[in-house]
Amino acid sequence: SQQGEEDPQALSIQEGENATMNCSYKTSINNLQWYRQNSGRGLVHLILIRSNEREKHSGRLRVTLDTSKKSSSLLITASRAADTASYFCATETRGGKLIFGQGTELSVKP
Amino acid sequence: GAGVSQSPSNKVTEKGKDVELRCDPISGHTALYWYRQRLGQGLEFLIYFQGNSAPDKSGLPSDRFSAERTGESVSTLTIQRTQQEDSAVYLCASSLSRGSNEQFFGPGTRLTVL
Repeated sequence: SQQGEEDPQALSIQEGENATMNCSYKTSINNLQWYRQNSGRGLVHLILIRSNEREKHSGRLRVTLDTSKKSSSLLITASRAADTASYFCATETRGGKLIFGQGTELSVKP
Repeated sequence: GAGVSQSPSNKVTEKGKDVELRCDPISGHTALYWYRQRLGQGLEFLIYFQGNSAPDKSGLPSDRFSAERTGESVSTLTIQRTQQEDSAVYLCASSLSRGSNEQFFGPGTRLTVL
């Protein structure tokens, strides 16, 4: 069954604009993580937010977590062309397994 | 230090042949994961190793798929009698231990079954 589901599936914005991606999940989690993938190869970890945290920042990234709604959002501020990539949320379940969503494909146009 | 490495980077094989994919995790990482990613899709969990514990094989799609890991080092994913539906990128990741740790991914092996 699908755990993390991202919304939107694709997002196209202009450089300098903010990009917001959302993730919903179904079961209880230990934490939620966001990853970035370029060109369909290896993923790079961006940020981890624990189930008892509500918001976290890292550089131009801001992540929120609402466990009552079982949802998270990733905000990239002042986007750059280099931010163009696919972004995945991954939820770590109580059993320790990490389950990935289908991803949001972000395109930042210069 | 070195990251997670995988080999080969690309593999083209004929339907029915067996293939073996290799993953070298980051030294000291006790947890190792294999995922499959079909074109334009998310990551599909296959199998997970944690130290000397029994692996979590719950994601393996069929008995044609198997994986081994020697201690806390190299892992191999074997696909027997490959089918065209097995074509995908196979990603390996490692982390310090199970739970609440970021996973470090290798570059993946792109498998094409003709």
